[in-house]
Amino acid sequence: GAVVSQHPSWVICKSGTSVKIECRSLDFQATTMFWYRQFPKQSLMLMATSNEGSKATYEQGVEKDKFLINHASLTLSTLTVTSAHPEDSSFYICSAPPGLAGELYNEQFFGPGTRLTVL
Amino acid sequence: RKEVEQDPGPFNVPEGATVAFNCTYSNSASQSFFWYRQDCRKEPKLLMSVYSSGNEDGRFTAQLNRASQYISLLIRDSKLSDSATYLCVVNKEAAGNKLTFGGGTRVLVKP
Repeated sequence: GAVVSQHPSWVICKSGTSVKIECRSLDFQATTMFWYRQFPKQSLMLMATSNEGSKATYEQGVEKDKFLINHASLTLSTLTVTSAHPEDSSFYICSAPPGLAGELYNEQFFGPGTRLTVL
Repeated sequence: RKEVEQDPGPFNVPEGATVAFNCTYSNSASQSFFWYRQDCRKEPKLLMSVYSSGNEDGRFTAQLNRASQYISLLIRDSKLSDSATYLCVVNKEAAGNKLTFGGGTRVLVKP
């Protein structure tokens, strides 16, 4: 099946630093990728939709200047958490549906997640 | 009110028993429905899509009730390996793939 990778799988950083998380589709092209955040014992919350070649669209309440998204190619999207603080500590997961933007697919392929801890 | 609501559980299930749980969704325009499984500290994995007529995949049966806006998952002959959090997921858009996740139902299968 299709594979999505994320890097790093975990990161610990000091408060105030920026952290970049990569999401790659390994054997398919993804014009759209999604970024989610999951706090302990809570569900996944969609943060933003990453669109190849255009600006990301952010969900209500998500600061676009804090969570920078770049979808530079059909196989790579990056999420940068700028000036991270302890409250940003969470499990960040990306997903990618195969195919073109706007098409509806039954399955999305999730990356393995990145666990961020901000001290 | 949350868009997708689930009983968080946990449902403690003896091995070999049957367990069933529901999920309700608030948006009547929702288009597609899924059950995902998430193990601790792992990413969600698709368990099955849910079709209007109901569908079965091995020991798992999913049902959709559009009138009452809920979907259900039934697990027969529970295995220890079925212990996980089951996420109800709804796609409310006619196009595109923005998914809305429920909070998950935790199932613990015990010997």
